[in-house]
Amino acid sequence: EAGVTQSPTHLIKTRGQQATLRCSPISGHTSVYWYQQALGLGLQFLLWYDEGEERNRGNFPPRFSGRQFPNYSSELNVNALELEDSALYLCASSLGSDRVYGYTFGSGTRLTVV
Amino acid sequence: AQSVTQLGSHVSVSEGALVLLRCNYSSSVPPYLFWYVQYPNQGLQLLLKYTSAATLVKGINGFEAEFKKSETSFHLTKPSAHMSDAAEYFCAVSGSSQAGTALIFGKGTTLSVSS
Repeated sequence: EAGVTQSPTHLIKTRGQQATLRCSPISGHTSVYWYQQALGLGLQFLLWYDEGEERNRGNFPPRFSGRQFPNYSSELNVNALELEDSALYLCASSLGSDRVYGYTFGSGTRLTVV
Repeated sequence: AQSVTQLGSHVSVSEGALVLLRCNYSSSVPPYLFWYVQYPNQGLQLLLKYTSAATLVKGINGFEAEFKKSETSFHLTKPSAHMSDAAEYFCAVSGSSQAGTALIFGKGTTLSVSS
């Protein structure tokens, strides 16, 4: 069974540009979560999608957005990139309630803003 | 609000020694608790989870954790460290009884194992 896949592995952007990160969940998982892992800050919750809808978002500005497609894959968009957006972005999927099952994580996209 | 505190950002042990990584939580509802491990340049892998069944939870790679409600703790242990255990470890708590409020993670503890 394929795990959670994320692309690209690495992404280098210039300040002010837009970045698009992609995630494919495990087959059968309908929930996708996005986290930002910045140096020294641990994992910060960004967004949760389920059945194509945004269900919850963390304390991030609106320039962080995304969507979930009918096949449950997801896209994270970061507009007007700032230097402090440099981080590892992790996608996770869950079979159902994250409370019961926990998450399966992808390997992440390393975003570097220069 | 729910929160997780991992005591010690860095723990060093010798190969064969006991591993103890500390996690304390705060939760307004009966918590579900998780430990994840992250190897360099990889995502997080679930080690074990507590979901209100047995208080002593056994996970992969010989790790286990004990839920202690009176101490609001969920410390991770392994009797004998291996070099391959060197990684970053994260404790997490479920946000609330409402599904999908997202797991809340601690800031992580880096485990170093020396020969």
